[in-house]
Amino acid sequence: KQEVTQIPAALSVPEGENLVLNCSFTDSAIYNLQWFRQDPGKGLTSLLLIQSSQREQTSGRLNASLDKSSGRSTLYIAASQPGDSATYLCAARNAGNMLTFGGGTRLMVKP
Amino acid sequence: EPEVTQTPSHQVTQMGQEVILRCVPISNHLYFYWYRQILGQKVEFLVSFYNNEISEKSEIFDDRFSVERPDGSNFTLKIRSTKLEDSAMYFCASSAGTGSQPQHFGDGTRLSIL
Repeated sequence: KQEVTQIPAALSVPEGENLVLNCSFTDSAIYNLQWFRQDPGKGLTSLLLIQSSQREQTSGRLNASLDKSSGRSTLYIAASQPGDSATYLCAARNAGNMLTFGGGTRLMVKP
Repeated sequence: EPEVTQTPSHQVTQMGQEVILRCVPISNHLYFYWYRQILGQKVEFLVSFYNNEISEKSEIFDDRFSVERPDGSNFTLKIRSTKLEDSAMYFCASSAGTGSQPQHFGDGTRLSIL
């Protein structure tokens, strides 16, 4: 059974810092891994999806990497802004369509 | 940008009653999902639906739960004989396909069982 873990659970940084969020998974036989953003009381906004054959994906200031063999993915946020404050979730998809989610990293970017 | 819409945003129901949560997936999507998130816990998969039938379900999705696509646009989750532990945020999601296609989520329905 797939288990997904995100460390740290919470992170507070000053505006402008580059930061890395970590995601680890126990079953490396994934089809893809998806990163989401969740604002308080809101749904999940898809940020990036990395296929199992890919090493990284980029969208604007966001870069996600995937290392299947070590069971890890990272989300790199460049030049963080207060508007980036949210909870970031990673989710792994194995066989079938279900996503297995990590517990999230709650990010606070201070002005 | 197309989005998944869910109604109502908040539903309060007495224990033992039936509740129906509604979702309108993105219009050209073919795969539909329900997830839930109990307060302070991880998002958990409930069920996936394709071609008018359930393709996968979790242990949470017991015989009190059912899903339906009653017309070309709506996708519903019905919970019968609700229990206190059903209280959670329920998210609907849809995707254009599987494999390389991302799942897009709605804003959720907060279900409170009293």
